Amino acid sequence: DVKVTQSSRYLVKRTGEKVFLECVQDMDHENMFWYRQDPGLGLRLIYFSYDVKMKEKGDIPEGYSVSREKKERFSLILESASTNQTSMYLCASSLLGRPGETQYFGPGTRLLVL
Amino acid sequence: AQTVTQSQPEMSVQEAETVTLSCTYDTSENNYYLFWYKQPPSRQMILVIRQEAYKQQNATENRFSVNFQKAAKSFSLKISDSQLGDTAMYFCAFMIYNQGGKLIFGQGTELSVKP
Repeated sequence: DVKVTQSSRYLVKRTGEKVFLECVQDMDHENMFWYRQDPGLGLRLIYFSYDVKMKEKGDIPEGYSVSREKKERFSLILESASTNQTSMYLCASSLLGRPGETQYFGPGTRLLVL
Repeated sequence: AQTVTQSQPEMSVQEAETVTLSCTYDTSENNYYLFWYKQPPSRQMILVIRQEAYKQQNATENRFSVNFQKAAKSFSLKISDSQLGDTAMYFCAFMIYNQGGKLIFGQGTELSVKP
């Protein structure tokens, strides 16, 4: 079974702090994604990556950056956390190449910025 | 721009009954995929069912089936013989062919199955 893990389930940070959210998958997937989930808005794509050192902006990249130094790991970085970044963050991965591939999700990190 | 709309924020159903969750989408593309994902309370999101837009036959997975109406851009999920374990947030999602596997999600429908 595919396993996608995220470094923390809950995180509390202060405004202005630099925040790292880590995601690791164990199935050699090329594609990795970061979403944020907010009530009434569903999931919105922040960034995605289809290869090491490659990244593409999603729908809401402002205030975020990402890093993918190894195929299995995809990090989301909040350079200077703000209260409007309080949210649930979900990581996902999928195979590249076959259209319509299933995305496999991690358990999520619930981030509170004070 | 592509959008996905789930107009029912919350629904409830009695155990063993049937329930239908609605989803509409908007796109000018012709080749795409539609999905229903399930997010149980405090658990990971998992795929429930997938539909390829070029297939006219509605997808089914055990107690889960879809009603795909391409012309109306509608993709509803029917859950038959509802079970307590079906209690979850359900998301409808849309993926355009050859756009990097990105998913566009609806707002979600929170389904409660009552004993």
